[in-house]
Amino acid sequence: GAVVSQHPSRVICKSGTSVKIECRSLDFQATTMFWYRQFPKQSLMLMATSNEGSKATYEQGVEKDKFLINHASLTLSTLTVTSAHPEDSSFYICSAKVGLAQETQYFGPGTRLLVL
Amino acid sequence: AQSVTQLGSHVSVSEGALVLLRCNYSSSVPPYLFWYVQYPNQGLQLLLKYTTGATLVKGINGFEAEFKKSETSFHLTKPSAHMSDAAEYFCAVSLSNSGYALNFGKGTSLLVTP
Repeated sequence: GAVVSQHPSRVICKSGTSVKIECRSLDFQATTMFWYRQFPKQSLMLMATSNEGSKATYEQGVEKDKFLINHASLTLSTLTVTSAHPEDSSFYICSAKVGLAQETQYFGPGTRLLVL
Repeated sequence: AQSVTQLGSHVSVSEGALVLLRCNYSSSVPPYLFWYVQYPNQGLQLLLKYTTGATLVKGINGFEAEFKKSETSFHLTKPSAHMSDAAEYFCAVSLSNSGYALNFGKGTSLLVTP
C-alpha cells in the first residue's frame, strides 16, 4: 500500500517551454502533497505544500508563478515548470500523506528534468 | 524552527561490519523523526520513524534507530552491513504544527566494501 507514482520519469525540453509533472497516489487518497527539488549530490528542498482543493503554500524563495501547482483531486497533483531554463534542471520529487494529522509521507520515484 | 545535522557526508564500512549513521536535530517542541533511504535516480523509501512511545525504533532491512532526547540524536544503526545497503541516507524531522512538512539533513552516502 501507499504507492505514489510520478510521470514522466524523465523529460528533456528546450529552454522557454513549459513542462508538467504529475504526481498520483495510487491506492490512497492524499489530502496533502508536497513537492521537493533535489540538486545532484544534495538533499531535498521543500518547494511547496499542496492541500486538495486549495492554493499551494510555497516556501520562501520559490517563485509561485514559475512553479505552478495544482491539486484538483485527492489522488493527483501537478507541478508545471513554466518557461523552463537550464537552471531549472533538477530532480523533482513529490510525496503524499493520507490526512492532515498524519505524519508519514510516501514518496514518488522522482522526475529528472533537463532543460537545454 | 527545526533543523537536522547529519555528521559525515560519506561513510564507508566493510561488508558485515556495523553501520552507524549519525543524526542530530534541533527543535523547540517534540519532533517526529525519520530515516529515509534513496537509491540512485529513485525516490525516497521510509526506513523507520519515531513519533512517540518506545525510543528504540526498528525499521526495514534490519535497521534501527534510537531517539535520545538528552542528546537530541536519532542515530541509525545496522549490526551487519550488506552490499545492497549502499545508498544515500537522509534523516528528517517534522513538526505537527507545520503540517508535518519534512526538513531533511544533507544526507550521508554509505559505501559498503567487500
